[in-house]
Amino acid sequence: DGGITQSPKYLFRKEGQNVTLSCEQNLNHDAMYWYRQDPGQGLRLIYYSQIVNDFQKGDIAEGYSVSREKKESFPLTVTSAQKNPTAFYLCASSARRGTRGLEKLFFGSGTQLSVL
Amino acid sequence: AQSVTQLDSQVPVFEEAPVELRCNYSSSVSVYLFWYVQYPNQGLQLLLKYLSGSTLVKGINGFEAEFNKSQTSFHLRKPSVHISDTAEYFCAVTEPGGGNKLTFGTGTQLKVEL
Repeated sequence: DGGITQSPKYLFRKEGQNVTLSCEQNLNHDAMYWYRQDPGQGLRLIYYSQIVNDFQKGDIAEGYSVSREKKESFPLTVTSAQKNPTAFYLCASSARRGTRGLEKLFFGSGTQLSVL
Repeated sequence: AQSVTQLDSQVPVFEEAPVELRCNYSSSVSVYLFWYVQYPNQGLQLLLKYLSGSTLVKGINGFEAEFNKSQTSFHLRKPSVHISDTAEYFCAVTEPGGGNKLTFGTGTQLKVEL
């Protein structure tokens, strides 16, 4: 079955530590996204990538980094500079823009990151 | 820049009753509007979207939404809810040319009770 796989489901970070969240898709989608979800705040865009080897900052990129070396993979690193990393992280992907310039987002099942 | 407001953080409703989840947006240009649903500990799924054309949009699971430009609203409705509709619902907006960079509302938790 095609879809988006996020791992791990739960992740714990120690003070000063960098952690990496995995996101893999086998939908052959060009675009991939990372969102952060906090209770009562909805989803906020961290980074997005429209094509391999290219990515742009979203609304809350500080303290995060990404790479897009392969079409199917878009890992997110939460660095020690992110002072409030506890949140639910969602990865999404979409096909290349159609004639309307807009394609449906497919979401993974998320990673809950907590600070020890 | 666009924004989305979901005024109701929680909406309790009895099974088989109708429900309306409110969404208002602000934008200086025309918009595309979406409703996504999130079941516990899962990602989001698209319920429906408005891009252009008919202002009444029908989605999956019996949901529908109406785009009202004068009131800048895109409320989600279902005539008769089921226990399985218990979930969090997010309204989202993007502008033409904005690609898939969606701006999400804060979500409304729909709780269906027997």
